[in-house]
Amino acid sequence: ETGVTQSPTHLIKTRGQQVTLRCSSQSGHNTVSWYQQALGQGPQFIFQYYREEENGRGNFPPRFSGLQFPNYSSELNVNALELDDSALYLCASSSGVSYNSPLHFGNGTRLTVT
Amino acid sequence: AQSVTQLDSHVSVSEGTPVLLRCNYSSSYSPSLFWYVQHPNKGLQLLLKYTSAATLVKGINGFEAEFKKSETSFHLTKPSAHMSDAAEYFCVVRPGAGSYQLTFGKGTKLSVIP
Repeated sequence: ETGVTQSPTHLIKTRGQQVTLRCSSQSGHNTVSWYQQALGQGPQFIFQYYREEENGRGNFPPRFSGLQFPNYSSELNVNALELDDSALYLCASSSGVSYNSPLHFGNGTRLTVT
Repeated sequence: AQSVTQLDSHVSVSEGTPVLLRCNYSSSYSPSLFWYVQHPNKGLQLLLKYTSAATLVKGINGFEAEFKKSETSFHLTKPSAHMSDAAEYFCVVRPGAGSYQLTFGKGTKLSVIP
């Protein structure tokens, strides 16, 4: 069974640029969610995708957007990067949207904005 | 709305002694509760979950947690700490009623002294 994989592992961008992060969900999982983990904090929910549709969003501005593809892989796009966007971005997958389904996390992408 | 409070930001124990990581939660619905562990530069691994079945939940690596509704607590314990347990631990709540969003506590860093 292949776990959740994220790419790249590290990324450095300049303020104002745009970035795309990628996630391959665990085999058999059709739901993907994204979390932002600032240094020293717990992860915060950005949004979730189920069957290629966004079906939940946390308190993040519209410049954070995403996609889910037919193979259930996903992208997180961030436009107009700000210094505070520097964080570890975690992707998690699960099977279905039941609140009992545990999330399986990838190792994350460390984004640094200078 | 739901929230999670991890009562200790840092816990230090000697190898072979018991571990107690404390967590209190609030939720408008009957929640699902989870504990996740994060090793340095790694993603999050599920330790255990509570989903309204038995109140004493056993997880991986000898960890267990007890759900106490009257105290709104979900403390994590382990009888005997091992060096490999040193990591960051997150208490997580997911409200019922079809909600998908995980709310994380700020984390407790566990140090194990040889």
